[in-house]
Amino acid sequence: AQSVAQPEDQVNVAEGNPLTVKCTYSVSGNPYLFWYVQYPNRGLQFLLKYITGDNLVKGSYGFEAEFNKSQTSFHLKKPSALVSDSALYFCAVSPYGQNFVFGPGTRLSVLP
Amino acid sequence: DVKVTQSSRYLVKRTGEKVFLECVQDMDHENMFWYRQDPGLGLRLIYFSYDVKMKEKGDIPEGYSVSREKKERFSLILESASTNQTSMYLCASVGLQSSYNEQFFGPGTRLTVL
Repeated sequence: AQSVAQPEDQVNVAEGNPLTVKCTYSVSGNPYLFWYVQYPNRGLQFLLKYITGDNLVKGSYGFEAEFNKSQTSFHLKKPSALVSDSALYFCAVSPYGQNFVFGPGTRLSVLP
Repeated sequence: DVKVTQSSRYLVKRTGEKVFLECVQDMDHENMFWYRQDPGLGLRLIYFSYDVKMKEKGDIPEGYSVSREKKERFSLILESASTNQTSMYLCASVGLQSSYNEQFFGPGTRLTVL
């Protein structure tokens, strides 16, 4: 069965510092991995995805994620955090490119 | 831009009422999904549909049904609302034009069942 873990409920980082939001997954076959962000009282917005190719994927708002097959991880990163990055972040895996399995979410707080 | 709209942002209903949540997408997407979002549990799939009049159960279908009479519209029905169905409900759609596309989400409906 497919599953996604986000080991941290909450991540706090100072503005201007690098941030990492962790994600590990369990899926049979090739993983198709996604990151979404949810701002308060909003639906989810797509940030980036990994399908194949380069392990470092760049996405919206300066975010990037690194696919690590041996560690079954897909951590979200940003070199310099902004207060406006504060939101709820979801990692998701799509076994067949249509249905998605989401992680529980990580709340990111960027402190000024 | 793809737009997914949901009929209500906030809804308050009483136990035992029949509740309809409507979702409409304007990009001719084939696949549509209903999730519920609860703190610490992420998004859980209730039902999805690959085509008109077609539906498949997700992970937590109990207490829910769906209807897809037209391609652009996917409705979630709570036959007899209960307090444990108080949640945020999110609709999403994805097209088949290319593989492994991201899902597009509506703004959500926060349902409170009293």
